[in-house]
Amino acid sequence: KAGVTQTPRYLIKTRGQQVTLSCSPISGHRSVSWYQQTPGQGLQFLFEYFSETQRNKGNFPGRFSGRQFSNSRSEMNVSTLELGDSALYLCASSLATSGGLNEQFFGPGTRLTVL
Amino acid sequence: AQSVTQLGSHVSVSEGALVLLRCNYSSSVPPYLFWYVQYPNQGLQLLLKYTTGATLVKGINGFEAEFKKSETSFHLTKPSAHMSDAAEYFCAVSVSSYGKLTFGQGTILTVHP
Repeated sequence: KAGVTQTPRYLIKTRGQQVTLSCSPISGHRSVSWYQQTPGQGLQFLFEYFSETQRNKGNFPGRFSGRQFSNSRSEMNVSTLELGDSALYLCASSLATSGGLNEQFFGPGTRLTVL
Repeated sequence: AQSVTQLGSHVSVSEGALVLLRCNYSSSVPPYLFWYVQYPNQGLQLLLKYTTGATLVKGINGFEAEFKKSETSFHLTKPSAHMSDAAEYFCAVSVSSYGKLTFGQGTILTVHP
């Protein structure tokens, strides 16, 4: 079974631009979560989508948004990029069965550099 | 709210020595606990997980962790380090069956020949 895939793997943008990152979950997984990883702040939860609905949200500004499609694929968008948005963005998928374990499987990440 | 503290941002051991990476958590409800490993330029790989039941959890690559409720700890161990174990390790907690994982700051493990 294929793992979580993320595209693109590397991205360079300039301040003020916007960016869209894509994540394809493991087949059959219905939940997709996004995390930001930086040397200073570590791994921080952005949001989680399940059945095309945002179910959880972290403490990030409204410039960070996402969506999920009917095939469970998810996209994350960051508008008006700032230097501090430079990070590794990780996507994770899980089965998200009711009462089950929150076992998340991570993709390789998208490395975003903002100049 | 839940939180995770990993004691020691860097741990260095000799090949063949015991590996001990410390993790303490704070949670108002019984938690799910995880250890993940991250190799350079890669995502996170799940090493092991604790839900309920047996407090000693065995994972991949010879790693295991013991859940101690009284100490709110979930330390990761491996009896004999291998060069390939050099990586960054993250402890994480979740208080529900879905959604947010809260991670510790990570511990970089260095293995010397």
